[in-house]
Amino acid sequence: DGGITQSPKYLFRKEGQNVTLSCEQNLNHDAMYWYRQDPGQGLRLIYYSQIVNDFQKGDIAEGYSVSREKKESFPLTVTSAQKNPTAFYLCASTPRQFANTGELFFGEGSRLTVL
Amino acid sequence: GQQLNQSPQSMFIQEGEDVSMNCTSSSIFNTWLWYKQDPGEGPVLLIALYKAGELTSNGRLTAQFGITRKDSFLNISASIPSDVGIYFCAGQNYGGSQGNLIFGKGTKLSVKP
Repeated sequence: DGGITQSPKYLFRKEGQNVTLSCEQNLNHDAMYWYRQDPGQGLRLIYYSQIVNDFQKGDIAEGYSVSREKKESFPLTVTSAQKNPTAFYLCASTPRQFANTGELFFGEGSRLTVL
Repeated sequence: GQQLNQSPQSMFIQEGEDVSMNCTSSSIFNTWLWYKQDPGEGPVLLIALYKAGELTSNGRLTAQFGITRKDSFLNISASIPSDVGIYFCAGQNYGGSQGNLIFGKGTKLSVKP
């Protein structure tokens, strides 16, 4: 079945450690996004990529890094520089024809807890 | 930057009740969208509105794009238990990419005990 797969679903990390969240899509979508969700908050954009080998910072990129080496993959690394990394992370994608429509297809999320 | 004010923050519903929530902004948007998020899942698009004054239905859901372009509302008629979740509004302007999509903080719908 086509879709967006995020892994792991739950992740625990010690302070000072980097961690990478995986996002894979087999929808042949061109653009991919990473959002952060905190309780009672809306979704805040971390990074997005509209084409392979290119990505742009969102509103809260500090302490995060991404890569887009393949169309179907957009991994997010939460670095030790991120001061408050405990959150629910959502990956999304959209095809080129939806580029300006606001219509996003989300994965099921990854919950990161820093101990 | 642009912000969306979504209200109410939370509400309790009894099966069969109608539900109403809205989203306002100090800025104009050319697109309004409503997403629903079930617990532990990613949001799913419910309704997208692209024209000021537009009224669109999707089953028991009805949403309107405010004529001023600064607000939108979502109504759910005859609510059922599976309506619980968090509803997000989102706004975007033409000429931007999805990177310019702004989300509200959500309205959490729960079942009355």
